[in-house]
Amino acid sequence: QKEVEQNSGPLSVPEGAIASLNCTYSDRGSQSFFWYRQYSGKSPELIMSIYSNGDKEDGRFTAQLNKASQYVSLLIRDSQPSDSATYLCAVNTGNQFYFGTGTSLTVIP
Amino acid sequence: EAQVTQNPRYLITVTGKKLTVTCSQNMNHEYMSWYRQDPGLGLRQIYYSMNVEVTDKGDVPEGYKVSRKEKRNFPLILESPSPNQTSLYFCASSLPKFDSPLHFGNGTRLTVT
Repeated sequence: QKEVEQNSGPLSVPEGAIASLNCTYSDRGSQSFFWYRQYSGKSPELIMSIYSNGDKEDGRFTAQLNKASQYVSLLIRDSQPSDSATYLCAVNTGNQFYFGTGTSLTVIP
Repeated sequence: EAQVTQNPRYLITVTGKKLTVTCSQNMNHEYMSWYRQDPGLGLRQIYYSMNVEVTDKGDVPEGYKVSRKEKRNFPLILESPSPNQTSLYFCASSLPKFDSPLHFGNGTRLTVT
C-alpha cells in the first residue's frame, strides 16, 4: 500500500494570512506530485503540479518538494474566504495516482 | 470543451440490482480510472485502465467491474450492489505521462438501500 499522509485539519487562518498545507508520501519511486482543491460534493480541481525538488510558484500558490524527505507542501498567500475547501495531495507512482485524505482549510473573513 | 462526463450524477438503488455508471472523455486520454470517496478515507482507486482492453485492479476492486472497449469510455459496473458501496464516485483520465494530471468528472453520488 503506497501511502500519502496529510493532516486532516481543520486548519483555520484569517483572511490575508498564509495557509501552509503539508503532505508526506511513502514511495520513493514517486515521480510527480499534485495539489487539488475540492469543494464539498464537487470534483477535485487541479491547483499545482511539481516534479523537481524546490519551489514552484503560480500566483498566490507555491508548491514545495523535497524528495529526500518525501515531503511536499502547498503555501497559499493572501488567503481568501473562497480558498476555504479541502486540499488533496496526490502522488503519481507511474501507473497509479494515490491521494491523501485531504486537509480542510477555512479562511475566516 | 475538454471534459470527463459521468452519468448519472445521482443514483438511488436497492441491494442486488445491477447498475452501470458511465464515464466518457473527449481528450483522447489513454489512462482512465475510477475512484470512490468516503468521509475520512479520501479517494481510493477502484480500477484503472492504461489503454483499450487493458484494465487493472486498484486498491478497492471488490464488487466492481470495468471494461474498456473504446478509448473514450470506461464504464463502472456494480453487478450486485450492497449498502457498503454507497459512496461518491469519480471517474478521471489523463495522458500516460508522469507529469500529466488527472482530470475528473463531476462525480456520481450512489446510495444503495
